[in-house]
Amino acid sequence: DTAVSQTPKYLVTQMGNDKSIKCEQNLGHDTMYWYKQDSKKFLKIMFSYNNKELIINETVPNRFSPKSPDKAHLNLHINSLELGDSAVYFCASSLRADTEAFFGQGTRLTVV
Amino acid sequence: EDQVTQSPEALRLQEGESSSLNCSYTVSGLRGLFWYRQDPGKGPEFLFTLYSAGEEKEKERLKATLTKKESFLHITAPKPEDSATYLCAVHFSKAAGNKLTFGGGTRVLVKP
Repeated sequence: DTAVSQTPKYLVTQMGNDKSIKCEQNLGHDTMYWYKQDSKKFLKIMFSYNNKELIINETVPNRFSPKSPDKAHLNLHINSLELGDSAVYFCASSLRADTEAFFGQGTRLTVV
Repeated sequence: EDQVTQSPEALRLQEGESSSLNCSYTVSGLRGLFWYRQDPGKGPEFLFTLYSAGEEKEKERLKATLTKKESFLHITAPKPEDSATYLCAVHFSKAAGNKLTFGGGTRVLVKP
């Protein structure tokens, strides 16, 4: 029974397209995140939500828009995809903002 | 600026050869330090949380320690299955943005 699951696992798309990545957690956590891992394997936070409220919004282009329909789900929509958006995107959740985060398996996005 | 630095970037060990990984941080208010293990193609897997200087946590061949400025992950008598990238992350204070900041990771390869 997967704790944090995200779909799809792989996403290949053309420049200029719009795509979404979905994330669900069944841990009962209040806080959810989106992280981006670049080709050098550096993990960087993009967004953080607590009980459906946006609490962290790092310097991310506004082509990226998170949406949290309920506290178990946090989706990421990306408009007008660019080559530089190619990366692995991880969803994570934690009980509170200062406790350990549990990660999904990642979505490898390739923009061609 | 709050920063997290891991060293070395890569570590090659013979099976049974103990070693230590370092995570140093410059931070305005530490609320927790986390160690994760990441296997290729997977999301980071939580290992330990440390909250205060002097604290130690152990799990099988891994032991994490924390001082005021750095943390060490000691790997005792490693086995090939300990090969992975080990990530350190620091949770900074609310004043610093209340977010988890990751280091660049240490890639560990244990040869039989």
